[in-house]
Amino acid sequence: NAGVTQTPKFQVLKTGQSMTLQCAQDMNHNSMYWYRQDPGMGLRLIYYSASEGTTDKGEVPNGYNVSRLNKREFSLRLESAAPSQTSVYFCASRGSMLRGSDTQYFGPGTRLTVL
Amino acid sequence: SQQGEEDPQALSIQEGENATMNCSYKTSINNLQWYRQNSGRGLVHLILIRSNEREKHSGRLRVTLDTSKKSSSLLITASRAADTASYFCATVVNTGTASKLTFGTGTRLQVTL
Repeated sequence: NAGVTQTPKFQVLKTGQSMTLQCAQDMNHNSMYWYRQDPGMGLRLIYYSASEGTTDKGEVPNGYNVSRLNKREFSLRLESAAPSQTSVYFCASRGSMLRGSDTQYFGPGTRLTVL
Repeated sequence: SQQGEEDPQALSIQEGENATMNCSYKTSINNLQWYRQNSGRGLVHLILIRSNEREKHSGRLRVTLDTSKKSSSLLITASRAADTASYFCATVVNTGTASKLTFGTGTRLQVTL
């Protein structure tokens, strides 16, 4: 099991450029999440997907869109990158609540710099 | 807004000593979790304590939860250099089919030889 994988690991964009961050999990988890981590701020939830076919906004959704492509994959898109979106982005997944699993499993992160 | 505030922000101890980190939060929760993050890496789940539990142990980790004070503590006993990392508390409020984590700002632990 690879767990949660993210691509790319690093990315540099110019202001106004667009890009998609990819995330995939092989644990057959229902829920997936995107977070951003800024220095001294902890992690903040951008968007989440409770199950395949559903997505919802988190704490800081502005400037982002997401797609739950299938049960395995959950992508995060920046349509027009801004310097304020410079951050480290983490994807996570969680098993079924019905099975009592509340633990989230995190990917290694994507370090994004917007110039 | 951040749900959890952690204290201290940074902690430096010697190997073999105990490390205690505290977390305070603002709203009612279903459970509270602690995660560890090594530099440049993703977060790894350490331990979960439910709102009806007061104390939980896992190896060298001991977590307490006081829902009346909305606070939790993580104790790492007999620390090792390999425990050097950032530690985050995360509160969980289950809403329907989703379970959202809200993270604190973290404690950076440095364990020296």
